[in-house]
Amino acid sequence: ETGVTQTPRHLVMGMTNKKSLKCEQHLGHNAMYWYKQSAKKPLELMFVYSLEERVENNSVPSRFSPECPNSSHLFLHLHTLQPEDSALYLCASSQGGDNTGELFFGEGSRLTVL
Amino acid sequence: GQNIDQPTEMTATEGAIVQINCTYQTSGFNGLFWYQQHAGEAPTFLSYNVLDGLEEKGRFSSFLSRSKGYSYLLLKELQMKDSASYLCAGLDSNYQLIWGAGTKLIIKP
Repeated sequence: ETGVTQTPRHLVMGMTNKKSLKCEQHLGHNAMYWYKQSAKKPLELMFVYSLEERVENNSVPSRFSPECPNSSHLFLHLHTLQPEDSALYLCASSQGGDNTGELFFGEGSRLTVL
Repeated sequence: GQNIDQPTEMTATEGAIVQINCTYQTSGFNGLFWYQQHAGEAPTFLSYNVLDGLEEKGRFSSFLSRSKGYSYLLLKELQMKDSASYLCAGLDSNYQLIWGAGTKLIIKP
């Protein structure tokens, strides 16, 4: 139990579907992150929120849309995805958004796009 | 460009010692992290080094040489539960994390 909870753990969707991934952290941290993890590839940072403001968007396609309604919750809205978007999506939180501290990860949402 | 290199896979025997190497090329350097990730689970923090030398935490130690752009994670008295992927990540001058692809460690009885 890392204090970061992600739902759903597994998701299968067609290319025309709209779905959302949810992340909740119970650690009182003020920064939250979305990462994409593909097999045998480095973690790819997608979005960073610090104090509920988006501070980084690493050229992620617009079919991925993040939302951070408060410092404890983070969503990733998905629409018209492609099969190459199939991956493990990891949420993380930290105290401070400058990466100098430890990241606390959730167990991830395994996404399969058909 | 920035890059982190680590072996894709390693195999070791229960009770033995294994060293997982990581070399980095980053624009500036503000430290190096190691994370452990068991299959189907969240990555968890193991260590952070910013100064040269060896830091020990129980059976796990992490070493850094800034002049060589090199780090290693040393695991002693290996246990079956140490079978996992080990992720190396460097922190560049802009405080961006540069991740390696991870080393899958397989422990055999």
